Amino acid sequence: QPVLTQPPSASASLGASVTLTCTLSSDYSHYKVDWYQQRPGKGPRFVMRVGTGGIVGSTGDGIPDRFSVLGSGLNRYLTIKNIQEEDESDYHCGAEHGSGSSFVKVFGGGTKLTVL
Amino acid sequence: QVQLQESGPGLVKPSETLSLTCAVSGYSISSDYYWGWIRQPPGKGLEWIGTIHQSGSTYYNPSLKSRVTISVAKSKNQFFLNLISVTAADTAVYYCARVSGDYKFDPWGQGTLVTVSS
Repeated sequence: QPVLTQPPSASASLGASVTLTCTLSSDYSHYKVDWYQQRPGKGPRFVMRVGTGGIVGSTGDGIPDRFSVLGSGLNRYLTIKNIQEEDESDYHCGAEHGSGSSFVKVFGGGTKLTVL
Repeated sequence: QVQLQESGPGLVKPSETLSLTCAVSGYSISSDYYWGWIRQPPGKGLEWIGTIHQSGSTYYNPSLKSRVTISVAKSKNQFFLNLISVTAADTAVYYCARVSGDYKFDPWGQGTLVTVSS
């Protein structure tokens, strides 16, 4: 099954842009990844799904168009433009592997985004 | 609007069973979606525990499969998590979520902290 690697932390100034990275282990370059936002003290919420061709499907409810995704090689990126205080959150990436009785959902360690 | 709410004991003794309920509102659990449990140990990332379909089909994380049971009560619009023989390593915030056919987890509950301690 794939291993997803995320930097533990990132920071950006108010109004700036930031790109978060989720790296798939080798041999899984064709996998799609889901991004989830988790505000302090809250449950995660779905942001969007990304493959090598970009966004897959629709954006999660209430996600502003300042959020976008891109995929290249083993990396899946989440970019946030014009960062707001409300974007300070933990961001998790997740991917599914297998099907039927062998299905597994795996997550990265998460990246804590601090808004300066 | 779909909402999920976890409930259950906040403290469980080692070797005992952790039992949680997820109450679903605004959507029928009998519709063609899956329902899942995920946990997050303090300071760590998310870990998928398992998923159930309204038909009763279940899918478990291989690392927890021997200790986990997920079930559903359609009449109550609820689903449940049982985790036996718990240790301190099972201390975590436990979340429930709706899971689409393409394995997208959305929405999630707000989570409930379960501490395993004597």
